Amino acid sequence: EDQVTQSPEALRLQEGESSSLNCSYTVSGLRGLFWYRQDPGKGPEFLFTLYSAGEEKEKERLKATLTKKESFLHITAPKPEDSATYLCAVRLTGNQFYFGTGTSLTVIP
Amino acid sequence: SAVISQKPSRDICQRGTSLTIQCQVDSQVTMMFWYRQQPGQSLTLIATANQGSEATYESGFVIDKFPISRPNLTFSTLTVSNMSPEDSSIYLCSVGQGGTDTQYFGPGTRLTVL
Repeated sequence: EDQVTQSPEALRLQEGESSSLNCSYTVSGLRGLFWYRQDPGKGPEFLFTLYSAGEEKEKERLKATLTKKESFLHITAPKPEDSATYLCAVRLTGNQFYFGTGTSLTVIP
Repeated sequence: SAVISQKPSRDICQRGTSLTIQCQVDSQVTMMFWYRQQPGQSLTLIATANQGSEATYESGFVIDKFPISRPNLTFSTLTVSNMSPEDSSIYLCSVGQGGTDTQYFGPGTRLTVL
């Protein structure tokens, strides 16, 4: 069965304290892996797409990496405005699209 | 990326009634999708809205409960029919950008059914 699992469910960091969020997947035929940020009461905001193992993408304090079984979203020196829920999703070769349950990140000033 | 709007942004409805949610995109797109996000849970795809043909529904979702229209390449509606409290959720539309696999999301419609 295709599955996407994110960990931890919730993460509290002090401002400036770097950390990583994990997205592990067991799927057949990965076509792409996506990271989104979702603020309360809003729709998910697209961050990154990764297509193959070893690929990395960066945007400001965020860096996403991909292996054959998981992806990491690294957050370097986070700020309070980085507080949000971070979702990963996978798209399969049959065009199915599955989301993980997200990691709720709180950055404390 | 496309700019996507949804109406209404939120609503409170009575059991047994129906609500139609609109999704408008500022450019023509081929693929439009409807998702549900129940409290504390992740996004679940309801259906893919195809222009000029019937929507394609995912397992567990049926046309009688969630009829979808897609009259042109910039607009779609999702109706939640004969609502029950279990339908309380955020409903999101998304679009696929041409030539990429990425989906972009609207702001969502928060529905509460009493």
